[in-house]
Amino acid sequence: ETGVTQSPTHLIKTRGQQVTLRCSSQSGHNTVSWYQQALGQGPQFIFQYYREEENGRGNFPPRFSGLQFPNYSSELNVNALELDDSALYLCASSLAMAGSSYNEQFFGPGTRLTVL
Amino acid sequence: GESVGLHLPTLSVQEGDNSIINCAYSNSASDYFIWYKQESGKGPQFIIDIRSNMDKRQGQRVTVLLNKTVKHLSLQIAATQPGDSAVYFCADENTDKLIFGTGTRLQVFP
Repeated sequence: ETGVTQSPTHLIKTRGQQVTLRCSSQSGHNTVSWYQQALGQGPQFIFQYYREEENGRGNFPPRFSGLQFPNYSSELNVNALELDDSALYLCASSLAMAGSSYNEQFFGPGTRLTVL
Repeated sequence: GESVGLHLPTLSVQEGDNSIINCAYSNSASDYFIWYKQESGKGPQFIIDIRSNMDKRQGQRVTVLLNKTVKHLSLQIAATQPGDSAVYFCADENTDKLIFGTGTRLQVFP
């Protein structure tokens, strides 16, 4: 286990609704990245938060937003849900260190979102 | 655009045989690659990584080979075991953002 937890594990919503997914980072980590994994596909980068600020964003519309809290836990919010938003949402935490070109990301088990 | 892709969606091997999973990438500037294993119901798990200044890196029962000339990397698993059954992804790291391929499902049969 990576020490990264996500809640809820499963969620069913209908089109147009809003959803909030939560992620608790591994102890000591200061960076959280969110990924969307559609069925049969690899994860797609949504965005990353470092010290409560967005630090990079993938090709996702503004209705995907996030927060990182002082304890480095994070939320992913999706507004105006669409059928294509059905996917596994993964968060990954890492410890960003000065001078390091890459910081290993540890993934949580994901939240399975179904939009009807 | 930047992409990372795999040649085979499913690979079936007999227990004890060696497995080879292939991956192609398109960004010639990519300099860091990671292989992940994802079991059902779990998030991706780091297996092994390699930087572009290396051609080969070995771990426990796993070896990653990188051919920068043809922008190709492979993951070799020695003496494949039932516990190796999973989906395997290669990923290209770009400014702390991971670009994943589609994945290859490895099935191990007795």
